[in-house]
Amino acid sequence: DAGVIQSPRHEVTEMGQEVTLRCKPISGHDYLFWYRQTMMRGLELLIYFNNNVPIDDSGMPEDRFSAKMPNASFSTLKIQPSEPRDSAVYFCASSLGQGVVEQYFGPGTRLTVT
Amino acid sequence: KNQVEQSPQSLIILEGKNCTLQCNYTVSPFSNLRWYKQDTGRGPVSLTIMTFSENTKSNGRYTATLDADTKQSSLHITASQLSDSASYICVVRNFGNEKLTFGTGTRLTIIP
Repeated sequence: DAGVIQSPRHEVTEMGQEVTLRCKPISGHDYLFWYRQTMMRGLELLIYFNNNVPIDDSGMPEDRFSAKMPNASFSTLKIQPSEPRDSAVYFCASSLGQGVVEQYFGPGTRLTVT
Repeated sequence: KNQVEQSPQSLIILEGKNCTLQCNYTVSPFSNLRWYKQDTGRGPVSLTIMTFSENTKSNGRYTATLDADTKQSSLHITASQLSDSASYICVVRNFGNEKLTFGTGTRLTIIP
């Protein structure tokens, strides 16, 4: 299996622009997670899905952030409008089940908002 | 408030030496604790997952310990190699709501 796939790997955009990050989880996994990582705050869970349904979005920083999972093999995280403080590395991860199971992380998308 | 604190923030050791990283947490109720290794520019990779009843778990040269009474965990690396240079992140899961609380990591550098 190719693992969790994210695109793009790097994104540079200007403040106010819309940004869309994409994720393809490992085939067969029923949980998908979106994380954000910064030097100051480390890794933070933004939202997670189970069987394509959002379960907990309490980590989404504000209404400018939205996430969708239209099917089992694709998810998007959208920021509109983007701000410089959104600059971070965004990771997608997937797992088969919850609890004492492995989460497999993608390579991340490094977002820079100027 | 659920918190995970790791120490030291950074560590530099000579290749071949051993080292121990610490993780203290206040997450309650406890479900499990994970150690991840994150190479620069890559996503975290799981090293171990430990539940309440497990005191020690090994993965090659990595050995994790857990003391659920004192809410402390350690990750011991034996005979370090240059490829061990990475950030090591401790993550604790809540029992019930399944929320994860992340430490800010220890940056380990192995020098030849």
